[in-house]
Amino acid sequence: GAGVSQSPSNKVTEKGKDVELRCDPISGHTALYWYRQRLGQGLEFLIYFQGNSAPDKSGLPSDRFSAERTGESVSTLTIQRTQQEDSAVYLCASSLGYGDPVNEKLFFGSGTQLSVL
Amino acid sequence: DQQVKQNSPSLSVQEGRISILNCDYTNSMFDYFLWYKKYPAEGPTFLISISSIKDKNEDGRFTVFLNKSAKHLSLHIVPSQPGDSAVYFCAASFGGSQGNLIFGKGTKLSVKP
Repeated sequence: GAGVSQSPSNKVTEKGKDVELRCDPISGHTALYWYRQRLGQGLEFLIYFQGNSAPDKSGLPSDRFSAERTGESVSTLTIQRTQQEDSAVYLCASSLGYGDPVNEKLFFGSGTQLSVL
Repeated sequence: DQQVKQNSPSLSVQEGRISILNCDYTNSMFDYFLWYKKYPAEGPTFLISISSIKDKNEDGRFTVFLNKSAKHLSLHIVPSQPGDSAVYFCAASFGGSQGNLIFGKGTKLSVKP
């Protein structure tokens, strides 16, 4: 497809289980971002990938969160031992990412609604 | 410590009137600002942006104003339409550097027919 694709769109899990969220960015976009939005809150930056550079993990809230990206394509966000406070919409975005502000315009997927019971 | 603040969680406007959404920032190093619009169950979509070398950028019904001395920007929508009802996020970045955008918490705009 032409846009950023995320799967699953909804995920319900039990506290303590691990979950894996997937993001397919727009082809040709070198930068990929993960954000989350908890209920009533703004977009919270989690992690940023740019090409082959080391990812910026400064937004990951704990060591239970990790993410990987294969080259300049698919990314997976993994949350281990989920907690109820992890419940949120997890949004993936991609951009051309050449360090030019114009190209930092992000294209977002529709998100994965994660509910931890 | 929030670097980008949208102090109004919601705004209600009559169709045809002007909508003004406000955003304040604390970091003077920000030099590029963007507005995103989000409908329920969809990801945010880019709306309009402004560089710190400008104080105004206009795109159709949407205009963004930047007041650097006050560290304040605003989005004006004229005339407002019911289809504009959405959550609007203000975002800021360090232009020319690669990294994440800092988003505000959003303002929910409701345009009533």
